[in-house]
Amino acid sequence: GQNIDQPTEMTATEGAIVQINCTYQTSGFNGLFWYQQHAGEAPTFLSYNVLDGLEEKGRFSSFLSRSKGYSYLLLKELQMKDSASYLCAVKAVTGGGNKLTFGTGTQLKVEL
Amino acid sequence: NAGVTQTPKFRVLKTGQSMTLLCAQDMNHEYMYWYRQDPGMGLRLIHYSVGEGTTAKGEVPDGYNVSRLKKQNFLLGLESAAPSQTSVYFCASSPSQGSSYEQYFGPGTRLTVT
Repeated sequence: GQNIDQPTEMTATEGAIVQINCTYQTSGFNGLFWYQQHAGEAPTFLSYNVLDGLEEKGRFSSFLSRSKGYSYLLLKELQMKDSASYLCAVKAVTGGGNKLTFGTGTQLKVEL
Repeated sequence: NAGVTQTPKFRVLKTGQSMTLLCAQDMNHEYMYWYRQDPGMGLRLIHYSVGEGTTAKGEVPDGYNVSRLKKQNFLLGLESAAPSQTSVYFCASSPSQGSSYEQYFGPGTRLTVT
């Protein structure tokens, strides 16, 4: 089975940097995804890590440590539109179909 | 490209009624998925399909059936709706090959069972 933990809520200030952590315990690991979900909308893909290290994509970066079962999403130069839920998801090794197990999400609120 | 579309967007059912949710994708993806999302529970996989004519159970399959008669369509059926099935249902699709195999989500169906 798989267990994924991330904080329920975070608050940050516009223009600041915020780090959202995700820890996971899995029977097999084949990659970790971060998705963004605005209220009432569908999740949209942000990043994918399968090897250890940092992946940077504009204002968003994602880090993975497979030995520690740990990832974080780093958001720089926060904007009001970044207020959303951020979902961490792990891809299973077994069973086929690129199945994902999602964490419960971190609700980020960006304030002035 | 419309991506992943879902119909209907909203539905209210009475306990015991049946309905089918339709998901369509125009990206020629092999894999398709049905999730439900409830407050505090995150996205949970109901059923998935790795190709036309194939389906498999996910984490929470009870009370649901699915069919994948055409590659582009994935149907989710509720034979006898229960209040516990009140949820937001998301369909997703992904390629079977590629660098990340990311899943693309539809806009969701909000279902209320009274």
